[in-house]
This record gives sequence, structure tokens and C-alpha cells, in this order.
Amino acid sequence: GNSVTQMEGPVTLSEEAFLTINCTYTATGYPSLFWYVQYPGEGLQLLLKATKADDKGSNKGFEATYRKETTSFHLEKGSVQVSDSAVYFCALSDTSYQLTFGKGTKLSVIP
Amino acid sequence: GAGVSQSPSNKVTEKGKDVELRCDPISGHTALYWYRQRLGQGLEFLIYFQGNSAPDKSGLPSDRFSAERTGESVSTLTIQRTQQEDSAVYLCASILIGAVKETQYFGPGTRLLVL
Repeated sequence: GNSVTQMEGPVTLSEEAFLTINCTYTATGYPSLFWYVQYPGEGLQLLLKATKADDKGSNKGFEATYRKETTSFHLEKGSVQVSDSAVYFCALSDTSYQLTFGKGTKLSVIP
Repeated sequence: GAGVSQSPSNKVTEKGKDVELRCDPISGHTALYWYRQRLGQGLEFLIYFQGNSAPDKSGLPSDRFSAERTGESVSTLTIQRTQQEDSAVYLCASILIGAVKETQYFGPGTRLLVL
């Protein structure tokens, strides 16, 4: 079956630090890959997505590249802000569009 | 409405009682999903509706859980004889399959606490 593994949190960074949250997946076929973000007290929001190998998703300064050879979709941001503090979920979807999520990584950015 | 809405936003119930959770998807969205998010965990898929096809119930954890959807509109998730381990946030999402931007849009969730 499908599965997503992402790095355990929590992650605490200083403002303007570089962020990487690792995500690897197991799937049959060619899934689409996603990063969702859940800000404190808010619902789950799509941050970025990539639908095929070597695609790069980007949004709000975050990037992730679909690497089929390493089955990875690591999330990166060059300079984090306090407002980026949230829980980040890596996910994949198959042909039924059903999402399989990782356990989430809590990011805290301190001034 | 503009987004997916869910009600109630919070529900506290006693063990053994039945609860019903409601989801209003984005108008026109053809598929609807229910997920469960336990404290400190990722989201678990529960059930999926698409059009008039039979729902995919493969994620429902027990026969105490059931869900219905009327056409391409409202869905209700029912949990019978609730147990403490049912305490979680229940999230609903909808998607317009075939759209240029095929993306699941999530509701704010219903936080269920079973005492």
C-alpha cells in the first residue's frame, strides 16, 4: 500500500534560518505529491504540489521537487519567518485522489 | 459557499452515545472525503464518495462508523456507540475531479471528544 514518511518533529529554528523537512514515500504507480500546512487554530491548507517526476512545486517561498529516483519530496525554504510556525504534512494521492499523509512535522520559528 | 464547511465545530459526548457530523462541500465538487486526525498523528483516510459510484469505505475503522452523501452535496458521518478512542478531529475535503487545478479543499474539521 501507499505510505509517507516524514521527519519527526518538533523542529525549532531561528528566524531567517534555512528549513528542510524530509519526506519519502512508497507508492505503486506515479502518485501526485503534496505539502499541506496547518497553522495554529486553522484548517488544513494546500501549500504546494507536484504531479510528475522532476516537477517543482513552490509557494510562499517554499519549494519541493518530486524525485522519483529517491522517492522523495523534501520541503525547503531559504529563510523562515515566525509566521511559518505551523504543522507541515507531506502527502501523496493515487488515481482515486485519496490522500495518504505523513504524521506531520511541527515547526516553531523563534524571533 | 466559498469553502468546505463542517458542523459542529466541537462536539463533546459520553461514551456509548451516537454522534453525527456534517460536511458541506464546495458546490459542484464531484468527490468528497472524510479523514480522521488523532492527537499528534497524521490524517487517516476514512471514506470517499465520487458521483453515483459506490463509496470507498476501506478506511472506516469499525462497523460503528458509517457515512452517507446525498448526490453531490451534503455528507454526514455517523459514529455509533462512541468510544474514547474515537476522540479526534474529523476532517472533510472535496475536490472537482477533472478541473485544471485538481486539489482537495479541506473544511475546518469537527473536534470530537468522547468522555
